[in-house]
Amino acid sequence: DVKVTQSSRYLVKRTGEKVFLECVQDMDHENMFWYRQDPGLGLRLIYFSYDVKMKEKGDIPEGYSVSREKKERFSLILESASTNQTSMYLCATRRDIYEQYFGPGTRLTVT
Amino acid sequence: AQTVTQSQPEMSVQEAETVTLSCTYDTSESDYYLFWYKQPPSRQMILVIRQEAYKQQNATENRFSVNFQKAAKSFSLKISDSQLGDAAMYFCAYRSRWTGANNLFFGTGTRLTVIP
Repeated sequence: DVKVTQSSRYLVKRTGEKVFLECVQDMDHENMFWYRQDPGLGLRLIYFSYDVKMKEKGDIPEGYSVSREKKERFSLILESASTNQTSMYLCATRRDIYEQYFGPGTRLTVT
Repeated sequence: AQTVTQSQPEMSVQEAETVTLSCTYDTSESDYYLFWYKQPPSRQMILVIRQEAYKQQNATENRFSVNFQKAAKSFSLKISDSQLGDAAMYFCAYRSRWTGANNLFFGTGTRLTVIP
């Protein structure tokens, strides 16, 4: 079974803090994704990566950056957290043309 | 950009009954994939079923089946013999078949409640 893990299930940060969300997968998948999930808006793609050190912006990249130094790890960075970044963050991976595998999610609250 | 619409924010079904969740999408492409994902409360999102647009036959996975109407751009999910474990948020999603396409476009979700 594919395993996608995220560093925290719940996180509370203060406005202006730098926040790191980590995602690790164990199946050697090339593609990794960061989504944001908000009620009534579904899932929206923030960034994705198709290889080590390669990244592309998704639909809502503003206020975020990413890092992929190793194939198994994809980090989402909030340079200066703001209250409108309070959300559920989902990491996903994909190897073939079909299925994406999701992590359990990190519920981030910025106060 | 492609859009995916789920017009039912919430649905409920009696245990052992059948329920259909609706999804429509907008695209100018002729070849693509459609998916239904399930997100149980506090649990990971998992794939329920997928459909390739070039296949006319509707996909089926055990109690889950789809009604794919390509001309109408409709992709509904039917759950038969509903079980308590089917209670979840269900998301419809679209992806282009073009190999470079990485984005999965999601609908806003339908919360399904199963009544014992």
